[in-house]
Amino acid sequence: GESVGLHLPTLSVQEGDNSIINCAYSNSASDYFIWYKQESGKGPQFIIDIRSNMDKRQGQRVTVLLNKTVKHLSLQIAATQPGDSAVYFCAETPNFGNEKLTFGTGTRLTIIP
Amino acid sequence: ETGVTQTPRHLVMGMTNKKSLKCEQHLGHNAMYWYKQSAKKPLELMFVYSLEERVENNSVPSRFSPECPNSSHLFLHLHTLQPEDSALYLCASSPQGTDTQYFGPGTRLTVL
Repeated sequence: GESVGLHLPTLSVQEGDNSIINCAYSNSASDYFIWYKQESGKGPQFIIDIRSNMDKRQGQRVTVLLNKTVKHLSLQIAATQPGDSAVYFCAETPNFGNEKLTFGTGTRLTIIP
Repeated sequence: ETGVTQTPRHLVMGMTNKKSLKCEQHLGHNAMYWYKQSAKKPLELMFVYSLEERVENNSVPSRFSPECPNSSHLFLHLHTLQPEDSALYLCASSPQGTDTQYFGPGTRLTVL
């Protein structure tokens, strides 16, 4: 079956540095991708999304890059802060609007003061 | 706050108990979801309601029974659960026809 997964389960980054979290997906028909952040004791929080007709999208301190050739998605966080410590996971769907996302297992990002 | 609330936040129940989880969204969305989140596993979709009709039932055991009385409220009725059902149960909502889902804080369920 199709799967969405992350390259690394944990990532530690010095405060102030940039971090990159990666996600590999296997469904070449994936059309829509979302990054979520989940802090301890909280539900997943929407960060940024991207459609497959785009390669890059920027938000506040975050950038999502999509490489459809190698089926790879990344989340870049600039100038990391302690509040960025959380589990980040990607989700995808092959049919935008079908109200069904497939989620990855997540990467735990730890910001070192 | 995301506009999606869940109660209770924590629940401990025995295998013979009956309890219900409640979700309420204040975002004007028309689709609502129940997910199960277990340690080191991806989010598992349980149920999807769109315009108050169930459109997805992901092979969930009958001891979990959803109810969607209106587009703002979603319930998950629990009965005769097993210890392996212990997990974080998350509710989400989205505008109909989109996949941008917004999650509540979850209910941490422990089945003894």
